[in-house]
Amino acid sequence: DADVTQTPRNRITKTGKRIMLECSQTKGHDRMYWYRQDPGLGLRLIYYSFDVKDINKGEISDGYSVSRQAQAKFSLSLESAIPNQTALYFCATSDLQLAGGGEQFFGPGTRLTVL
Amino acid sequence: TQLLEQSPQFLSIQEGENLTVYCNSSSVFSSLQWYRQEPGEGPVLLVTVVTGGEVKKLKRLTFQFGDARKDSSLHITAAQPGDTGLYLCAVKRNYGQNFVFGPGTRLSVLP
Repeated sequence: DADVTQTPRNRITKTGKRIMLECSQTKGHDRMYWYRQDPGLGLRLIYYSFDVKDINKGEISDGYSVSRQAQAKFSLSLESAIPNQTALYFCATSDLQLAGGGEQFFGPGTRLTVL
Repeated sequence: TQLLEQSPQFLSIQEGENLTVYCNSSSVFSSLQWYRQEPGEGPVLLVTVVTGGEVKKLKRLTFQFGDARKDSSLHITAAQPGDTGLYLCAVKRNYGQNFVFGPGTRLSVLP
């Protein structure tokens, strides 16, 4: 079974709709992240959470919100989707940052298309 | 301006050839990571380098961290179709806890 799962894997929606992407992990990590990936831009951080009571904005948080329901669950919401939010979205987890930078474990991604 | 630049952006080679891809920045980092992402999957960590000048080998892959800890290279010897994917470098922001990723090099190894 995958350690980091994302649902749905694919979603097509219309402008103005509310969308929630969900992420669950069985790795027991405290730290969880949401990224979006666009061609030529790499992965850009949307939000991150270092524990259940901690939520932080990343570099591109406008238009998004998150909820950390439990250590294992971190969801990303688009309150009113717009076409330029069409992208591949990844959830990731990591453990306490050890010397050397630690490692991030990624889910399989959610491909979101906003028409 | 991106913190990390990767070159080339795209690379298509024949099986058996050697190649090198690069990750560059004007900033100094305490460590740098390389990830590989295959189609339909999330990135997977290949290596972390932490010391200036460090060289790490992972089978046919050789990673080097620049002496000044501003850049890194990934060399693949005798590339195979299974090496096909997007290669991403990543660093932690100075004194921060978040990772920043480069735009990636998309490698295609043709049989």
